[in-house]
Amino acid sequence: EDKVVQSPLSLVVHEGDTVTLNCSYEVTNFRSLLWYKQEKKAPTFLFMLTSSGIEKKSGRLSSILDKKELFSILNITATQTGDSAVYLCAPANAGGTSYGKLTFGQGTILTVHP
Amino acid sequence: DADVTQTPRNRITKTGKRIMLECSQTKGHDRMYWYRQDPGLGLRLIYYSFDVKDINKGEISDGYSVSRQAQAKFSLSLESAIPNQTALYFCATSDSTGVGANVLTFGAGSRLTVL
Repeated sequence: EDKVVQSPLSLVVHEGDTVTLNCSYEVTNFRSLLWYKQEKKAPTFLFMLTSSGIEKKSGRLSSILDKKELFSILNITATQTGDSAVYLCAPANAGGTSYGKLTFGQGTILTVHP
Repeated sequence: DADVTQTPRNRITKTGKRIMLECSQTKGHDRMYWYRQDPGLGLRLIYYSFDVKDINKGEISDGYSVSRQAQAKFSLSLESAIPNQTALYFCATSDSTGVGANVLTFGAGSRLTVL
């Protein structure tokens, strides 16, 4: 059975802090790993990682994948109150009818105080 | 207008009632999905459809059914709602080719409460 564990489950920081969110996974026929940000409504796409060791970056957010150790991290530097959200990690299967199916972790709730 | 539209956005119903949640999309994607979200459990896949003639069960399909009326429309039905189906339901779409097949676009969600 596919398994995804995110840690910590929740995190409270102040503006300007740097945070690291963790995602470990055990997924059959792994293809890629996606990160989503969920504020009050629909999850929105942040990153898709397919190769180990290659950092993806978007502004203050960055993410990296380790396919040998089966984990990914999401870093947010100089946090702002607008970063407050649930961050979801989702590894994706590869091939056949399972292509495109994601297994979601339970999420990390990030709260950034002014 | 949103790319993926869900109706209704909120619904309160009673045990035993039949409920339908509807989803329509303007992305032109072939693949559509229904997920439910419960606190502490993340998003779990109920059903998915890779085209109009293809319907597949996800990990928690019991108590649910779906209909893919057209490429752009995918509805989820609860034939006889029960309280543990109280949850936030998301429709999502994805492309059918390449790595885009893994990138889901979500609707805004339908919050269902079964009393």
